[in-house]
Amino acid sequence: DGGITQSPKYLFRKEGQNVTLSCEQNLNHDAMYWYRQDPGQGLRLIYYSQIVNDFQKGDIAEGYSVSREKKESFPLTVTSAQKNPTAFYLCASSNGQGNTEAFFGQGTRLTVV
Amino acid sequence: AQSVTQLDSHVSVSEGTPVLLRCNYSSSYSPSLFWYVQHPNKGLQLLLKYTSAATLVKGINGFEAEFKKSETSFHLTKPSAHMSDAAEYFCVVSLTTGTYKYIFGTGTRLKVLA
Repeated sequence: DGGITQSPKYLFRKEGQNVTLSCEQNLNHDAMYWYRQDPGQGLRLIYYSQIVNDFQKGDIAEGYSVSREKKESFPLTVTSAQKNPTAFYLCASSNGQGNTEAFFGQGTRLTVV
Repeated sequence: AQSVTQLDSHVSVSEGTPVLLRCNYSSSYSPSLFWYVQHPNKGLQLLLKYTSAATLVKGINGFEAEFKKSETSFHLTKPSAHMSDAAEYFCVVSLTTGTYKYIFGTGTRLKVLA
């Protein structure tokens, strides 16, 4: 089945540690996105990539980093510089063309302990 | 600049009664608009999309939305609510100038009462 796979579903991090969230898609989409979701705030864009080896900061990129070495993969690293990382993280992809929808993974819930 | 406003953060309806979730958008040109649904701790699922074809858009699970340019609205409706409709709903506008991004509303949580 085509789709987006995020792993792990739940992740616990100690303060001061970096963690990496995985996102893989087999939809042959050019564009991929990372969003953060907090209660009552909708989805906020962290980073996005429209093509392999290129990515741009979204609205809340501070404390996060990404890479796009392969078309199907767009991992997100939450660094120790992110002051409030506890949240639900969603990865999405689209074909990067006008009028098309984004497809979402099932999310990763990150908790700092 | 593109933006989207969901006018209600919470909506409660009784099972079997109509659902109305309101969304207004701001766009300097003809937008693409979407409604997504999210069940707890899950990803987002597309309900329907408007892409400058028919102004009345039918989606999955009996939902539909009407694009009204004069009112800059894209409200989501369903004639009869079901318990399984209880979820959070997001109105989304796409940004297509230069880079292709999606702008999300803050969401409307729908509660369905038995």
